[in-house]
Amino acid sequence: EVQLVESGGGLVKPGGSLRLSCAASGFTFSSYSMNWVRQAPGKGLEWVSSISSSSSYIYYADSVKGRFTISRDNAKNSLYLQMNSLRAEDTAVYYCARVSGGDYVYFDYWGQGTLVTVSS
Amino acid sequence: AIRMTQSPSSFSASTGDRVTITCRASQGISSYLAWYQQKPGKAPKLLIYAASTLQSGVPSRFSGSGSGTDFTLTISCLQSEDFATYYCQQYYSSITFGQGTRLEIK
Repeated sequence: EVQLVESGGGLVKPGGSLRLSCAASGFTFSSYSMNWVRQAPGKGLEWVSSISSSSSYIYYADSVKGRFTISRDNAKNSLYLQMNSLRAEDTAVYYCARVSGGDYVYFDYWGQGTLVTVSS
Repeated sequence: AIRMTQSPSSFSASTGDRVTITCRASQGISSYLAWYQQKPGKAPKLLIYAASTLQSGVPSRFSGSGSGTDFTLTISCLQSEDFATYYCQQYYSSITFGQGTRLEIK
């Protein structure tokens, strides 16, 4: 059974940093591109970042470019999101999501999400 | 960036109804479109990809159509478990989601 479990969320002050993790199991993690998608309270879904299976290709939304860094450790079946210079508008539930396969970036499995709150 | 616009933003319907949700792209995206269902406090669930291909395990009352800029998600006979928020997502150029359509019980 495919499982994605996020962790690392919490309350952080504006300008602070946080590192999210996503532990994957039930599939060959090293074969799949992975993404982070976030959802502000009461709002819609917003794509954040994408990383290919071997970390060769990395992309970011303009809203986080230069502040967030996506990475992965295929030996540990883990995905990460390092978030720096956090702002109030980064407050959201952050989901890790698996790309279904191939070149078409839609998400067939999602984690349960981890809440990040940026507030003083 | 490609903008995805869903309509309506919310509406109410009854069990057994046939409902259609529309998603319009600001430019052509071929068939690079997915639909998701999200229930409160839960992660989104993939329903349809490539505009009209049903994800494994999704009931056949869900169907998708369209290409280019105009797409629809149809639920042929609403069940109680279908009341949720639905999102479209394009993957033609980067990734963007529609704003969501909330489907409520009448």
